[in-house]
Amino acid sequence: QVQLQQSGPGLVKPSQTLSLTCAISGDSVSNNNAAWNWIRQSPSRGLEWLGRTYSRSKWYNNYAVSVKSRITINPDTSKNQFSLQLNSVTPEDTAVYYCARGSAYDFNYWGQGTLVTVSS
Amino acid sequence: QSALTQPASVSGSPGQSITISCTGTSSDVGNYNLVSWYQRHPGKAPKLLIYEDSRRPSVVSNRFSASKSGNTASLTISGLQAEDEADYYCCSYALSTTWVFGGGTKVTVL
Repeated sequence: QVQLQQSGPGLVKPSQTLSLTCAISGDSVSNNNAAWNWIRQSPSRGLEWLGRTYSRSKWYNNYAVSVKSRITINPDTSKNQFSLQLNSVTPEDTAVYYCARGSAYDFNYWGQGTLVTVSS
Repeated sequence: QSALTQPASVSGSPGQSITISCTGTSSDVGNYNLVSWYQRHPGKAPKLLIYEDSRRPSVVSNRFSASKSGNTASLTISGLQAEDEADYYCCSYALSTTWVFGGGTKVTVL
């Protein structure tokens, strides 16, 4: 059974960097049949896919256009986890952030969610 | 503003069937057979119910079924039970390697 455990601060100041980590158990971040995603939900924007990282002999990333200039998703094979960094945050980035394992074109396992508030 | 349109709420009595619609465009729902549906209970992580328009993971009850016509996908819950009270979200793969979600539908069991 795949489990995803999220960690990271719940409060970030405007203009700073939001950083979250998702630890994987029951699977490998290097699994060539999976992709590792970040998704967020806010009252104003609903559920929003942010991006993913995946391995197919080498590592690839895809990012949503809305955050492409500010986002980085990285795998950490030594710790079997992956991370999200979102730069230059504003109050609009306040949301519940989820990590999720992707299987082809859906999301079959999700983390528990982390509420991140952007406020000074 | 979500990319896919769902009704805000749907309700039904125990044992009844209800259907949740999800309307997109020819760039997402209507262009790919890649609509998925998720159930989320308060405080819990979302759970995959349906993938590839109408396929159901083996661990999901057969009371959940889905279909699609044109730009509109639908999720049907048969034999409604109290445990089905939750939020439901549709999702579709879209152009340029991205995914779009619906705004969610709150299902109430009367």
